[in-house]
Amino acid sequence: RKEVEQDPGPFNVPEGATVAFNCTYSNSASQSFFWYRQDCRKEPKLLMSVYSSGNEDGRFTAQLNRASQYISLLIRDSKLSDSATYLCVVISSGGSYIPTFGRGTSLIVHP
Amino acid sequence: NAGVTQTPKFRVLKTGQSMTLLCAQDMNHEYMYWYRQDPGMGLRLIHYSVGEGTTAKGEVPDGYNVSRLKKQNFLLGLESAAPSQTSVYFCASSYGAGLAESTDTQYFGPGTRLTVL
Repeated sequence: RKEVEQDPGPFNVPEGATVAFNCTYSNSASQSFFWYRQDCRKEPKLLMSVYSSGNEDGRFTAQLNRASQYISLLIRDSKLSDSATYLCVVISSGGSYIPTFGRGTSLIVHP
Repeated sequence: NAGVTQTPKFRVLKTGQSMTLLCAQDMNHEYMYWYRQDPGMGLRLIHYSVGEGTTAKGEVPDGYNVSRLKKQNFLLGLESAAPSQTSVYFCASSYGAGLAESTDTQYFGPGTRLTVL
């Protein structure tokens, strides 16, 4: 089982829709969680961190469920500019704290 | 403040040729990483460094070597390029393993698109 798993999609949604992605991780010692966004042929950029209490940034909400070992990203009122690949990143303790990336979930927002 | 830069941006090699990819960061980060990204495979870690003079193997290290002689630079070498090494290579850096957004956020370079014929 891969350490970090994501549904590759694509998720094809109309403008204004709400869409949610999940990311599961296998290492229960994982301590830091992030969502990155990657546009086509560009480098990944940090979208937001995922805190235990959950966090919200405008239309984006990230949550962590330690019991079930997954994190989620909710996007409300989708915009065309939200079309991208969303990468889940997990950092585990007990080692050299190297980030592990999921393969990404592709989102396509259409008019 | 340029962040993370990579040179070259594009390169075409013939099988068996060698080359070095350069990554430079001006944020005084301790950690630096080299990834490759192939369609459908996501980002895979090749090698990483947790400080000047240190290097370690990642998930897919075979066929690559690295050096971190200066804190701000991380070099990735291909001694004898193979078509299987055709990929997009990303370098990244982060402050360290503080397990907080401020220290663990990775900053990526724009990538190097390498084709091996």
